[in-house]
Amino acid sequence: KAGVTQTPRYLIKTRGQQVTLSCSPISGHRSVSWYQQTPGQGLQFLFEYFSETQRNKGNFPGRFSGRQFSNSRSEMNVSTLELGDSALYLCASSMGGRGQEQFFGPGTRLTVL
Amino acid sequence: KQEVTQIPAALSVPEGENLVLNCSFTDSAIYNLQWFRQDPGKGLTSLLLIQSSQREQTSGRLNASLDKSSGRSTLYIAASQPGDSATYLCAVSPIMNYGGSQGNLIFGKGTKLSVKP
Repeated sequence: KAGVTQTPRYLIKTRGQQVTLSCSPISGHRSVSWYQQTPGQGLQFLFEYFSETQRNKGNFPGRFSGRQFSNSRSEMNVSTLELGDSALYLCASSMGGRGQEQFFGPGTRLTVL
Repeated sequence: KQEVTQIPAALSVPEGENLVLNCSFTDSAIYNLQWFRQDPGKGLTSLLLIQSSQREQTSGRLNASLDKSSGRSTLYIAASQPGDSATYLCAVSPIMNYGGSQGNLIFGKGTKLSVKP
């Protein structure tokens, strides 16, 4: 069974631009969660989608948004990029029930110049 | 609000040594606890998952224990090897996620392990 995939793996953008990241979960998984990882803050929860609906949302500004498609693939979008958005963005998938094991993708490294 | 702490932040040991990584959490209302490994610039690899009703899990040279009442977990690595060098993260799955803002997993900041040949 294929694991969680994320595209692209690396991105370089400039301040003010917007970016879209994609995550394909493990087949049969209905929940996709997104995390931001930075050296200073560690791993922080962005949001979770389940059956095309945002189920949970972390404490990030509205510039961070996401969506999920009927095939459970998910995208996250960051508008008006800031230097502080440079990070490793990780997505995780699970079957969807609370307390289910989470499986992570390789991440997308975003650099904002 | 659940908080997860990992001590030490970094650890350097000679090859062959047995070692213990520590994780503590503030709220015992959890579904489970997971230990992950992360290599530089890479994603997270799940090592062990311990359900809240379990006391320990083992996989090869790894053994993880969970003491929910005291809010502690340890990851024991036997006969360490240079290939074990990585950052080890623990994460808890909270039963209460404070309106969803804490998500499904709350992570510690990790322990960076270096095993010297």
